[in-house]
Amino acid sequence: SQKIEQNSEALNIQEGKTATLTCNYTNYSPAYLQWYRQDPGRGPVFLLLIRENEKEKRKERLKVTFDTTLKQSLFHITASQPADSATYLCALVKDTGRRALTFGSGTRLQVQP
Amino acid sequence: GAGVSQSPSNKVTEKGKDVELRCDPISGHTALYWYRQSLGQGLEFLIYFQGNSAPDKSGLPSDRFSAERTGGSVSTLTIQRTQQEDSAVYLCASSLAGGLSNQPQHFGDGTRLSIL
Repeated sequence: SQKIEQNSEALNIQEGKTATLTCNYTNYSPAYLQWYRQDPGRGPVFLLLIRENEKEKRKERLKVTFDTTLKQSLFHITASQPADSATYLCALVKDTGRRALTFGSGTRLQVQP
Repeated sequence: GAGVSQSPSNKVTEKGKDVELRCDPISGHTALYWYRQSLGQGLEFLIYFQGNSAPDKSGLPSDRFSAERTGGSVSTLTIQRTQQEDSAVYLCASSLAGGLSNQPQHFGDGTRLSIL
């Protein structure tokens, strides 16, 4: 079956460190992978998109990698700040028959001051 | 407003009642999506509208769930004869040109539905 897996345990890091979140998928051949941020009681907010032919994408302190051989995406936040504390969701387009995103369950990041 | 608007923000109702949830997408967005998020879970796809095309209803969990989109804008998700397992946050999103998977989706803040 098709699965998207994100570490369900919260990630706790110190302010200023780099946070690395993992998204693994099985039985997909996604053309695109997206990352979203979700704060408690709010809807997800789009952060970054990476295409299958891109190895890496950057936006300010954010970096996403996409390894289609390993079927894995890594999401990095450098120089992390307490304001980065949130749940981060990865999402894939499941297959050609459906154009809605399929989301992982998310990883909660807590940045300690 | 410039974002996706959902109403009500909270809804508490008794088991067996019908509920209607509303979504106002961003103006000009042709694609509209409904998702459901249970506590601590990821988003579960429910239904997708793209322009005037027939909606993709493949994610609706039962025939008690239906949705419509009038005039290519506002959408209503209806749940009939609600059950306790329907309790969740219902999220709506819209995007430009929904047929392209590279378009980011813009989400509302959801309707938190509680079935007593």
